[in-house]
Amino acid sequence: AQSVTQPDIHITVSEGASLELRCNYSYGATPYLFWYVQSPGQGLQLLLKYFSGDTLVQGIKGFEAEFKRSQSSFNLRKPSVHWSDAAEYFCAVGARDYKLSFGAGTTVTVRA
Amino acid sequence: GAGVSQSPRYKVAKRGQDVALRCDPISGHVSLFWYQQALGQGPEFLTYFQNEAQLDKSGLPSDRFFAERPEGSVSTLKIQRTQQEDSAVYLCASSQGTGSYNEQFFGPGTRLTVL
Repeated sequence: AQSVTQPDIHITVSEGASLELRCNYSYGATPYLFWYVQSPGQGLQLLLKYFSGDTLVQGIKGFEAEFKRSQSSFNLRKPSVHWSDAAEYFCAVGARDYKLSFGAGTTVTVRA
Repeated sequence: GAGVSQSPRYKVAKRGQDVALRCDPISGHVSLFWYQQALGQGPEFLTYFQNEAQLDKSGLPSDRFFAERPEGSVSTLKIQRTQQEDSAVYLCASSQGTGSYNEQFFGPGTRLTVL
């Protein structure tokens, strides 16, 4: 079965600074990988996804993520954080069926 | 078009009561998922429907949990004889296709508190 680890429970970053959120997955084959964002009181929104091909994927809101097979990682990055990026971020891995497995999430706080 | 909606948004139940949580998926979406999200955790899979067929209920914690989607659209998650450990946010998601590569669109969730 697939699984996801997000090592950082909470990250605080200054507005305008760069952000990197870590995600490590466990799966026997090439996985489908996703990053979702959850703002308070809101449902999860898809930021980006990786299926195959170019290992650097671009998403919405200026986010990007890089798939590294050798490290079983799919880290999320943003060059310059805005106050509106304060939220909870979830990495998820999909197997070859229909099921997604989510990590425990990383809470991002943005300070002025 | 409307997204996934869930009702009620908040539900407080006394231990032992039955509750019913509703999900209205995006029209035409074949797949429907229920997840349970405990405080400080990521969503955990509960069950999966493809149209009206419940193909996977492996994540349901106990036989007190029951889900249905009788006409392949609206779905209801029912919890009988609620316990305090059932307190969580219950998320519904739908997707157009049937593989995990299909984007899942999430509703805002129902926050269940069992006293």
